[in-house]
Amino acid sequence: EIVLTQSPGTLSLSPGERATLSCRASQSVSNSYLAWYQQKPGQAPRLLIYGASSRATGIPDRFSGSGSGTDFTLTISRLEPEDFAVYYCQQYGTSRTFGQGTRLEIK
Amino acid sequence: EVQLLESGGGLVQPGGSLRLSCAASGFTFSNYAMSWVRQAPGKGLEWVSAITGSGGDTFHADSVKGRFTISRDNSRNTLYLQMNSLRAEDTAVYYCAKGSAMSRPYYFEYWGQGALVTVSS
Repeated sequence: EIVLTQSPGTLSLSPGERATLSCRASQSVSNSYLAWYQQKPGQAPRLLIYGASSRATGIPDRFSGSGSGTDFTLTISRLEPEDFAVYYCQQYGTSRTFGQGTRLEIK
Repeated sequence: EVQLLESGGGLVQPGGSLRLSCAASGFTFSNYAMSWVRQAPGKGLEWVSAITGSGGDTFHADSVKGRFTISRDNSRNTLYLQMNSLRAEDTAVYYCAKGSAMSRPYYFEYWGQGALVTVSS
């Protein structure tokens, strides 16, 4: 099973700042089959990024994904108040596994 | 507009059974794989089960293998999860999720709002 480790566990930033979230896989993720999801309290997860770097429909361009192999990054260029949430990475190349999540909180 | 509406959650005793349903609309249901993903209170996401668009292939996480069964009725645009021999650690919100393709590999494009399953005596 591919284990995904997200860091940091919690990220404290202010609106307008840049956020960089990391997702590291225990083995290479085939064909960059990696997705990112955003989850707000009491809500279902929402797809942000798939294929490591493709934005889902309706996702603002301040969200971007990068990486390949075992190291992936989600970047939010300028944080808006509505971006403070929990973010999960997920690989779908070999079965399906999720990272443990990064909580992005307001500083 | 894609809509996924789960139902069937509730309180059940350890060792009991429950069946979740997910009514889908807004897309050609049989063309897409579907999954169940759960989230224990205050915890992260855990993939539980998946089924191809035709229903011909099913997959389950080791944690539920032999106890849970995923199925679908493409004529009714409905996904199911039959849960038997429930344990306290199965307590979670169960999400129905639409895959991005008919079979692997696929990511989860859309999610339902979830159904809470509580296993307790």
